Amino acid sequence: KAGVTQTPRYLIKTRGQQVTLSCSPISGHRSVSWYQQTPGQGLQFLFEYFSETQRNKGNFPGRFSGRQFSNSRSEMNVSTLELGDSALYLCASRVGDSGNTIYFGEGSWLTVV
Amino acid sequence: QQPVQSPQAVILREGEDAVINCSSSKALYSVHWYRQKHGEAPVFLMILLKGGEQKGHDKISASFNEKKQQSSLYLTASQLSYSGTYFCGTEDRGQNFVFGPGTRLSVLP
Repeated sequence: KAGVTQTPRYLIKTRGQQVTLSCSPISGHRSVSWYQQTPGQGLQFLFEYFSETQRNKGNFPGRFSGRQFSNSRSEMNVSTLELGDSALYLCASRVGDSGNTIYFGEGSWLTVV
Repeated sequence: QQPVQSPQAVILREGEDAVINCSSSKALYSVHWYRQKHGEAPVFLMILLKGGEQKGHDKISASFNEKKQQSSLYLTASQLSYSGTYFCGTEDRGQNFVFGPGTRLSVLP
């Protein structure tokens, strides 16, 4: 069974640009969550999607947005990039019901210059 | 609301034991434990679903006290490979899941 797949793995963007990151969850998983992790920091929750609907949202500005498609694949978008957006962005999927394991992808390393 | 983890960091010698605690102010349905090594994604260790449940794998085990809304991760006879940051994640009955701030564990030879 394939794991959570994130693309691209590494990318460099310029301040002011926008970026779109993609996540393919494990087959059968309907919940996809996104996290931001800066060096030495914890897992900052961005949002969770379940069956194409945003179920939960963290405390991030509106520049951060996401969506989920009918096949459960998810994308997150960051507009008007700032230097502080440089981070590892992790996608995680789970079946969706309470008490199910969350599986992480390898992450997308974003550097904003 | 984010659970509290303690200690924030711990340094051990190989073979020593450690305990990492996770507590929440909310009623919990489940507690999850993950370990993350530098530059890598978090890796699932175990999930505890019932109050009082204890689980173990190799020399790593955990307990969940539902009444106190607390969980503890026990690392016995630590190995160099145990080094990393340990995160607990708590889930309430509304399927709201949140990770703790992490505990940095360093095992020295």
